Amino acid sequence: EVQLVESGGGLVKPGGSLRLSCATSGFTFSSYGMNWVRQAPGKGLEWVSFISSSTTYIYYADSVKGRFTISKDNAKNSLYLQMDSLRAEDTAVYYCARDPVYTRGRFDYWGQGILVTVSS
Amino acid sequence: DIQMTQSPSSLSASVGDRVTITCRASQGIRNDLGWYQQKPGKAPKRLIYAASSLQSGVPSRFSGSGSVTEFTLTISSLQPEDFATYYCLQHNSYPWTFGQGTKVEIK
Repeated sequence: EVQLVESGGGLVKPGGSLRLSCATSGFTFSSYGMNWVRQAPGKGLEWVSFISSSTTYIYYADSVKGRFTISKDNAKNSLYLQMDSLRAEDTAVYYCARDPVYTRGRFDYWGQGILVTVSS
Repeated sequence: DIQMTQSPSSLSASVGDRVTITCRASQGIRNDLGWYQQKPGKAPKRLIYAASSLQSGVPSRFSGSGSVTEFTLTISSLQPEDFATYYCLQHNSYPWTFGQGTKVEIK
């Protein structure tokens, strides 16, 4: 069974940093591209960042470029998001989401989400 | 960036109704579009990929159609468990962008 479990969220002050983790199981993590998607309270979904299976390709939304860093450790089957210079508008539930290999499209499996609150 | 305009933003329907949700892309995206269902407090779930392909395990009452700039998600006979918010996603070019969502409520 495919599982993605986020951790590392919480309350942080504006300008602070936080590192999110996404532990995975049930699939060959090294073969899959991975993403972070967020959802501000009561709002819609926003794609944040993508990393390819071998980490060759990395993309960010303009809203987080230069402040967030995505990475993956294929040996630990884990995805990470280092978030620096956090702003109030980064407050959201953050989801890790897998890109499929055997079908087209994006985000075939999602974690349960983790809340990040940026407030003084 | 490609803008995805979803309509309606909300709708009220009864069990058994046929429901159609539309997504319009600001430029052509071939069929690089997916549909997702989200229930309150839960992660989104993929329903449709490549505009019209049904995700494994998703009931056949869900279907998708369209290409280039106009896409639709249809629920042929609305069931109680289908009351949720639905999002389209384009992944033709970065940044990937979602529609603003359609909340399907009970009439």
